[in-house]
Amino acid sequence: AQKVTQAQTEISVVEKEDVTLDCVYETRDTTYYLFWYKQPPSGELVFLIRRNSFDEQNEISGRYSWNFQKSTSSFNFTITASQVVDSAVYFCALTPQGSTLGRLYFGRGTQLTVWP
Amino acid sequence: DAGVTQSPTHLIKTRGQHVTLRCSPISGHKSVSWYQQVLGQGPQFIFQYYEKEERGRGNFPDRFSARQFPNYSSELNVNALLLGDSALYLCASSLVGLAGGPGNEQFFGPGTRLTVL
Repeated sequence: AQKVTQAQTEISVVEKEDVTLDCVYETRDTTYYLFWYKQPPSGELVFLIRRNSFDEQNEISGRYSWNFQKSTSSFNFTITASQVVDSAVYFCALTPQGSTLGRLYFGRGTQLTVWP
Repeated sequence: DAGVTQSPTHLIKTRGQHVTLRCSPISGHKSVSWYQQVLGQGPQFIFQYYEKEERGRGNFPDRFSARQFPNYSSELNVNALLLGDSALYLCASSLVGLAGGPGNEQFFGPGTRLTVL
């Protein structure tokens, strides 16, 4: 069974603060892919990153960084120097290798609000 | 380049009616997936189609059906609507149909907001 847990339902920060969104996953598959998506109020899910289970290197993209730790089954997402435009719901998702790609398993999401 | 498009944007139906939602993938993408997102929840997988064949089905009743056309666009049909079918229906496309390797990122459309009264 596949499961993604995002324990933080809502987070509020003030602009320029750093914020980390937690994601913990469960899977019995040895090869899998992890994703982060952003959902602004408009509703469209915006792809942010894909990480495969063999690549535990952390990744940085501008103000965004991701920390993948296989030992703790976590794939956390940090926004540095947050901005009001970062306000959105963020979803972590998982798909096992070899499954139909469409079967993404999503967490319940974390609502991030960045105040000016 | 155009992203994934969906129509209609919003839809209001009454219980027992039928609804058809449409999706056009990104040009060149052959895989289309459908998700249902109830308010306050993450998206739930409904179907995946690749090369016009159903490749996956989530835990949804037979009232839900879909198909993919030769141009790779797709329709999601829901019969005998229930109040619980009220949700945002998201369509996603990707280059390939299986997890693994480049091209398996899914790109989502803006969704169709369905309200069942």
